[in-house]
Amino acid sequence: GDSVTQTEGLVTLTEGLPVMLNCTYQSTYSPFLFWYVQHLNEAPKLLLKSFTDNKRPEHQGFHATLHKSSSSFHLQKSSAQLSDSALYYCALPSDSGYNKLTFGKGTVLLVSP
Amino acid sequence: EAAVTQSPRSKVAVTGGKVTLSCHQTNNHDYMYWYRQDTGHGLRLIHYSYVADSTEKGDIPDGYKASRPSQENFSLILELASLSQTAVYFCASSGLGVNQDTQYFGPGTRLLVL
Repeated sequence: GDSVTQTEGLVTLTEGLPVMLNCTYQSTYSPFLFWYVQHLNEAPKLLLKSFTDNKRPEHQGFHATLHKSSSSFHLQKSSAQLSDSALYYCALPSDSGYNKLTFGKGTVLLVSP
Repeated sequence: EAAVTQSPRSKVAVTGGKVTLSCHQTNNHDYMYWYRQDTGHGLRLIHYSYVADSTEKGDIPDGYKASRPSQENFSLILELASLSQTAVYFCASSGLGVNQDTQYFGPGTRLLVL
């Protein structure tokens, strides 16, 4: 079945360094993926959605490129900020419809001064 | 921005007791979902609904029931709460149109079963 793998459970960075959170997926169908972000004691919310063409979505300095050849949708940012500390989920739409999503297990990003 | 609210925001329950978690959305969305969040497991789908008066099992439905009495309201019911059901529970909604496939989450309910 469909699955999403986020290999790192925790990523710790110093402010100003680049961010890359990994996401790979298995799907026979899905043309796009999502990144959701959840700050401490808040609800998850959409950060990025991939495009079906080769455009690269960007939001709040984050970007991600869907590579179908490697089944990856890694999240990147050139310079981490303290406010980027949060839990990040990669998600894949289900081919069974109803707008269902399959989430990865999440990666906690901790940015320190 | 889509609006999803949950009540209560936190609850302490006793093992074997009945717990009802409520969710209300004002987005006019057809689809609603219940997830539980546990460290190391991420967000896992318990039940979902695509129309009022109908619910479907998600990936981890055992020990949970759901009810969708109207388009706006979706409840999660734990008939016999167990220690293993201690978790944070999120409700979400999504619809059709411009932001199709995007799910909008409520603030969560922190449930502690003792």
